[in-house]
Amino acid sequence: NAGVTQTPKFQVLKTGQSMTLQCAQDMNHEYMSWYRQDPGMGLRLIHYSVGAGITDQGEVPNGYNVSRSTTEDFPLRLLSAAPSQTSVYFCASSYPGLAGAYEQYFGPGTRLTVT
Amino acid sequence: GDSVTQMEGPVTLSEEAFLTINCTYTATGYPSLFWYVQYPGEGLQLLLKATKADDKGSNKGFEATYRKETTSFHLEKGSVQVSDSAVYFCALKGAGSYQLTFGKGTKLSVIP
Repeated sequence: NAGVTQTPKFQVLKTGQSMTLQCAQDMNHEYMSWYRQDPGMGLRLIHYSVGAGITDQGEVPNGYNVSRSTTEDFPLRLLSAAPSQTSVYFCASSYPGLAGAYEQYFGPGTRLTVT
Repeated sequence: GDSVTQMEGPVTLSEEAFLTINCTYTATGYPSLFWYVQYPGEGLQLLLKATKADDKGSNKGFEATYRKETTSFHLEKGSVQVSDSAVYFCALKGAGSYQLTFGKGTKLSVIP
């Protein structure tokens, strides 16, 4: 049981390039989400999905796209990278649990630098 | 909307000292409350949680009590170790929501 996996661990992009951050989970969780972590800002929600075929925007969605064709995978696409997207990106998945708490399980993160 | 405010760090303590990290929240209804920990270079791990008022979450010697009257969920540990050095995040899940709202994190450094 690998939990939540993310690839790559590190990535450097030039301004204007596009790329996809991969996220997969093997726990059969319906809910998945993407966060970015910036110094002094905590974690901010980019996009989330409540099941295959269903996605929605979070707090900071601009410049990012997502899709959810399977329960397991939830890739995050950067359409045209900008230096403001330099950050650490975390994917998470969750399930209702005993009390409907939806505790989240996080991947190890992708550190992205845009030059 | 929902929000979480936690004490700003960094916090530096000597080994075996008592730890308190304050966390207060704003939310409608009865949210679920969480503390997550992030060790250097790693993702976030759930440390403890509480899903209703007066619940006490506990794990690895850490405790936090869900106080509805003061809208607080302060993290405490009686005797910290060097291995507790990490960033701690308070978070809430609003009633009827799937999403977590995080505080900005508190960096704890424990020195021998």
